[in-house]
Amino acid sequence: EIVLTQSPATLSLSPGERATLSCRATQSVSTYLAWYQQKPGQAPRLLIYDASNRATGIPARFSGSGSGTDFTLTISSLEPEDFAVYYCQHRSNWPPFTFGPGTKVDIK
Amino acid sequence: QVQLVESGGGVVQPGRSLRLSCEASGLTFSRYGMHWVRQAPGKGLEWVAFIWHDGSNKYYADSVKGRFTISRDSSKNTLFLQMNSLRAEDTAVYYCARDGDLPITMIRGVIGVFDIWGQGTMVTVSS
Repeated sequence: EIVLTQSPATLSLSPGERATLSCRATQSVSTYLAWYQQKPGQAPRLLIYDASNRATGIPARFSGSGSGTDFTLTISSLEPEDFAVYYCQHRSNWPPFTFGPGTKVDIK
Repeated sequence: QVQLVESGGGVVQPGRSLRLSCEASGLTFSRYGMHWVRQAPGKGLEWVAFIWHDGSNKYYADSVKGRFTISRDSSKNTLFLQMNSLRAEDTAVYYCARDGDLPITMIRGVIGVFDIWGQGTMVTVSS
């Protein structure tokens, strides 16, 4: 089973700052990695699929990069609505589909 | 617009059963594979099960294999999760999610990205 780890666990930033979130896999997942955003009391929302492709309606300030075992989600300039938990998830070598433990981006 | 609405959650004693439903609207349900994903209180996301668009193949997480059964009724645009022998560790919000309608390579016939989610239904297993 492929295990995903995310760092940091919590990222404390101010609106307007740049956020850089990391996801690492225990073995290569090629570019088969997605990112989701989840706000309290809400379902997750797909942001990025296959490492770098923005989902429909996702603002350009969200970008993804990486391949193999190391991936990054970047939010270029944090808006107030971006403070949330972010999860990575792979679709390689399933089942299972696994998620990382999440990174919480909170207001500094 | 595309919408998934879960129902059937509640409080149930350990060892008992519960059936969740997920009604889809705004999409051609029979075209899409469907997943169940759960989230224990204060915890992360855990994939639970997947069913192909035509119901011909089903896959489960090891944690639920042999106890949970995923199924669908495309005539009613509805996905189900039959949960038997429930345990305290099954306590979670259960989400249904569509297997993505995305222009990417399938892996063994599955996209494996969850592009549309329901609002979730809470299952509490407690005596």
